[in-house]
Amino acid sequence: DGGITQSPKYLFRKEGQNVTLSCEQNLNHDAMYWYRQDPGQGLRLIYYSQIVNDFQKGDIAEGYSVSREKKESFPLTVTSAQKNPTAFYLCASSTSGYEQYFGPGTRLTVT
Amino acid sequence: DQQVKQNSPSLSVQEGRISILNCDYTNSMFDYFLWYKKYPAEGPTFLISISSIKDKNEDGRFTVFLNKSAKHLSLHIVPSQPGDSAVYFCAVGTAGNMLTFGGGTRLMVKP
Repeated sequence: DGGITQSPKYLFRKEGQNVTLSCEQNLNHDAMYWYRQDPGQGLRLIYYSQIVNDFQKGDIAEGYSVSREKKESFPLTVTSAQKNPTAFYLCASSTSGYEQYFGPGTRLTVT
Repeated sequence: DQQVKQNSPSLSVQEGRISILNCDYTNSMFDYFLWYKKYPAEGPTFLISISSIKDKNEDGRFTVFLNKSAKHLSLHIVPSQPGDSAVYFCAVGTAGNMLTFGGGTRLMVKP
C-alpha cells in the first residue's frame, strides 16, 4: 500500500527547542517537498529535493533545515531561529510530472 | 506579489446545484494547472488538472476550464454533494515541475 507518512500527527514543543518532523514515502518518487500552511492561507514551499543528497530552499526556508540521505526520507527540522513555527506542515512527493502527492500533515504547536 | 489568487475565501452552495470555484494567475508562461481538495487536518488530495494546450478537462462531476487570455481557471462541480465540502486549492505548474498554490476557497455544500 504505497503512500506518504508523516509523524507525529500532533507535536508540541517549548519555544527555543529544535524539533524534527518525519516524512517517509514508498512511492519510489525522486522529488520531495515540504510546505507550511497557516490558517486561511495557501501552501508555502519551505524546501524541496529532486534527488538524494541534494535539496533547495523554497520561498520561506529561513529557520528550517532538511536532509535527504535516502530516497524514501526527507525530514524537516524546525529550529529555534524560526520566528513563527506554529503551523500545519505538509510533506509531498512527485515523479517527473507536476502532480504532487501529499502526506497527512503534522500540526506543530510551539508555546 | 501573489502569482496565484483565489479571490473568494468561501462559497456556500445548495446540494444538487453547481459549485464554481475560481482562480486567477499572473504569469502567461504557466503551462499546467491543478486543483486539490483538502479536508481539515489532512493533506490535500489531487482532484483534476489541465495543460495549457486545452481549455477544458472533465472527470465525472468535476470540470476544469482554462481561459488563457484572461489568465483564469475555474472548477465546476455538478451536482454538488455535502461530501464536497472542503477547501479547494488551485495550483499552477512552474519551472522545474514546481507548484505555486492559491490561498484556497472553502466550499460548503448544504443539504
